[in-house]
Amino acid sequence: DVKVTQSSRYLVKRTGEKVFLECVQDMDHENMFWYRQDPGLGLRLIYFSYDVKMKEKGDIPEGYSVSREKKERFSLILESASTNQTSMYLCATREGRGRNQPQHFGDGTRLSIL
Amino acid sequence: DQQVKQNSPSLSVQEGRISILNCDYTNSMFDYFLWYKKYPAEGPTFLISISSIKDKNEDGRFTVFLNKSAKHLSLHIVPSQPGDSAVYFCAASARTGANNLFFGTGTRLTVIP
Repeated sequence: DVKVTQSSRYLVKRTGEKVFLECVQDMDHENMFWYRQDPGLGLRLIYFSYDVKMKEKGDIPEGYSVSREKKERFSLILESASTNQTSMYLCATREGRGRNQPQHFGDGTRLSIL
Repeated sequence: DQQVKQNSPSLSVQEGRISILNCDYTNSMFDYFLWYKKYPAEGPTFLISISSIKDKNEDGRFTVFLNKSAKHLSLHIVPSQPGDSAVYFCAASARTGANNLFFGTGTRLTVIP
């Protein structure tokens, strides 16, 4: 079974803080993704990475950056947190680039920015 | 603008009956579709997928139907079980930008025992 672990289930931070969300996978998957889930909007892709040190923007990258220094770890960074970044954040992995391979999700981090 | 739409936020079905969850899309470049199931406090889990070269894919109690001309797909669960109660997300991707999955807003299915 694929295990995708997000370091925090709940996180509360203040406006202007730099926030790090961590995701670790144990299956040596090439691809890793960060989504946010908001009511009425479904899941939206923020960034993804297809290899170590490689990254590409998704649909809503503004206000976020990512880091992938090791294959198993993909970090999402909120450079200066704002209240509109309060959301559920989901990390996912996929073994290869083929679309017939499904993404495997972590359990999510519910982030509140006060 | 939402390219994948699930117009029913919720659905209730009696145990043993058929559940039909619907999904519409607007982008004609989408050619691969997936359904995910999400329980509370857990991440989505993959359920079933279909390529646009097919119009039906079946896996046990779950069948996905694709109508390309109508840009519509549906997930049928037969028979429905209480353990199927969850939020179901439809997702789509295009050949270009294959890493980008576009998700619908989800339908909450409740199966009543």
